[in-house]
Parts: sequence; structure tokens; C-alpha cells
Amino acid sequence: DIQMTQSPSSLSASVGDRITITCQASHDISNYLNWYQQKSGKAPKLLISDASNLETGVPSRFSGSRSGTHFIFTISSLQPEDIATYSCQQYDSLPLTFGGGTKVVIK
Amino acid sequence: QVQLVESGGGVVQPGRSLRLSCAASGFTFSSYAMHWVRQAPGKGLEWVALISYDGSNKYYADSVKGRFTVSRDNSKNTLYLQVNSLRAEDTTVYYCARGVNRGGWYPIDNWGQGTLVTVSS
Repeated sequence: DIQMTQSPSSLSASVGDRITITCQASHDISNYLNWYQQKSGKAPKLLISDASNLETGVPSRFSGSRSGTHFIFTISSLQPEDIATYSCQQYDSLPLTFGGGTKVVIK
Repeated sequence: QVQLVESGGGVVQPGRSLRLSCAASGFTFSSYAMHWVRQAPGKGLEWVALISYDGSNKYYADSVKGRFTVSRDNSKNTLYLQVNSLRAEDTTVYYCARGVNRGGWYPIDNWGQGTLVTVSS
């Protein structure tokens, strides 16, 4: 199985801050990585597909990038509505696997 | 727009069974692979099963293989998950999710709101 190691598990930042979340894949997964946002009590929402492709309607302050097996998710200017848990997920091979999630709170 | 509505969850005793359903609308259900993903309270997401667009291919997580069965009825736009021999660790929210044919193993682009299964005596 491909392990997705996500960090940090939680972070506290101020409105307007730039925040970064990373996922490290245990094997090469090419660009086959999604980033999801999950607000409390809600289903996940797809923000970024194929490591860096912003989904339609998702604000441009969200972005994703890849360097080898290292994936980075960035919010360029944190907004109050961004409070959520963010998770990465690989779809290069079965079983699909998720990172452990990063809970983002406002300082 | 894409809508996925799960049902069938509830409280069930260990060892018993349930059938979860997911009613799909807003897209051509028969053209898409579908997944089940679960999430224990306060925990991360865990992939459970995948079924191809026509139901001919099915894949399972090792943790549920032999106990869970995924199926679909394209005439009813409905996805199912038969869950048998339930254990305490199966207490989770079960999400159905749409998989797109875009490269890789049908990445998920839309999720239902989830249905909670609680296994308790």
C-alpha cells in the first residue's frame, strides 16, 4: 500500500497568513494526488486534482504543487471560512490512501 | 448538479448486517465508477470499495474484504454496500463518492453527505 504522510496534523494561523501543508508519498504516484477540504460535520470537498489543478469555483488563494513524491498545498491568504481539515489522497494505485489530515484553526 | 444521498445507516449489534444505499442524481450514473469511503469519528478517511461503471469489476480494502459487498443498479441510479459481520471498528460514517475516468484509479470528485453506522450491543 502507498503511505501518505501528511504534516502538520494541526496548525494555528492568523487571517491573512500564508499556510503550507505537505504530503509525502511512500512511492512514486506521478501527479495522481487530490487535496480535499472538510468542514466540521460535512463531506469532503475536492479543491485540487492532479496535484496542482484547481477545481472550478475554488478560490485562487488555494494552490498545489509537486516535487517528486513530495506534495505541497498552500493557502496564500488564510480566510475565516477556510477553517477546516485538509487531506491529501493518492489515486495511483489501490487501495486509495489518504493522508492523516491537517486541522487548520484561526489564531 | 451532482447529488449523492446515502441512507441505511443506524445502530446495529455486533455480528449483524446492514445494507447502505446511495441515490445518485444530476449526472449519468451508469457512466461513472463509484467508491465507498468511511471515516471513524474524529479520524481520517479510509477507502472501502470501488465498483466500475457497469458493475463488472469490484475492489475492496483488505479490512473489509469478505465481509462487505459493493453493487449497483444502474436502472435505479443507486449504489449499494452490503455490510456483514459488523464489528465495533466498523462504527464510522460511510460516504459514497463518484470516481472520474481521468487517469489513475478513478479519482473522487464528488461526495455524498454520509450515513452513520454505529455498531454496539
